[in-house]
Amino acid sequence: NAGVTQTPKFQVLKTGQSMTLQCAQDMNHEYMSWYRQDPGMGLRLIHYSVGAGITDQGEVPNGYNVSRSTTEDFPLRLLSAAPSQTSVYFCASRPQGGSLNTEAFFGQGTRLTVV
Amino acid sequence: LAKTTQPISMDSYEGQEVNITCSHNNIATNDYITWYQQFPSQGPRFIIQGYKTKVTNEVASLFIPADRKSSTLSLPRVSLSDTAVYYCLVASFGSASKIIFGSGTRLSIRP
Repeated sequence: NAGVTQTPKFQVLKTGQSMTLQCAQDMNHEYMSWYRQDPGMGLRLIHYSVGAGITDQGEVPNGYNVSRSTTEDFPLRLLSAAPSQTSVYFCASRPQGGSLNTEAFFGQGTRLTVV
Repeated sequence: LAKTTQPISMDSYEGQEVNITCSHNNIATNDYITWYQQFPSQGPRFIIQGYKTKVTNEVASLFIPADRKSSTLSLPRVSLSDTAVYYCLVASFGSASKIIFGSGTRLSIRP
């Protein structure tokens, strides 16, 4: 199993551009989420999903959209990139709530710079 | 969601036992306590999880008192490779449960 795969690993955008960060998992996990991590800071939840077709906002959702058409994929879309969105983005997945296993698996991150 | 409070940073030396305490005064009945470790430029990695009393695995021990308002992650005989940020999280098993990270504890191990 590959676990959680994020693409791209690095990206530079110009202010105002849009792009989609990809996240895929092969563990059949229902729960997926996106975080951003600014230098020297903790992770902040952007959006999350508890299953295909179901998404909800996290702590810092503004400027981002998500969709969950399949169990495997959870893309994060930046609508109009701003320098404040320069950060490292992590995608995570974990088994469905109700399981005794709450271990979340994280991808390796996407380092995004907006100039 | 139960908020967690942990020290911003800690220092220790190789071979020592390190204990990191996390406060979660508003923990709910169906909440579990989980600890993650994060190395620079990597995503967080699950270390240990518990509900009450003591849990031990090959990496760490987790001590949770009866009132569950705090928990202590214990790392036995740390090495330089244990230098990382450690996050304490509280989350329920509910299907709509969000996983919220706090600021974490930056642990530095010296030779």
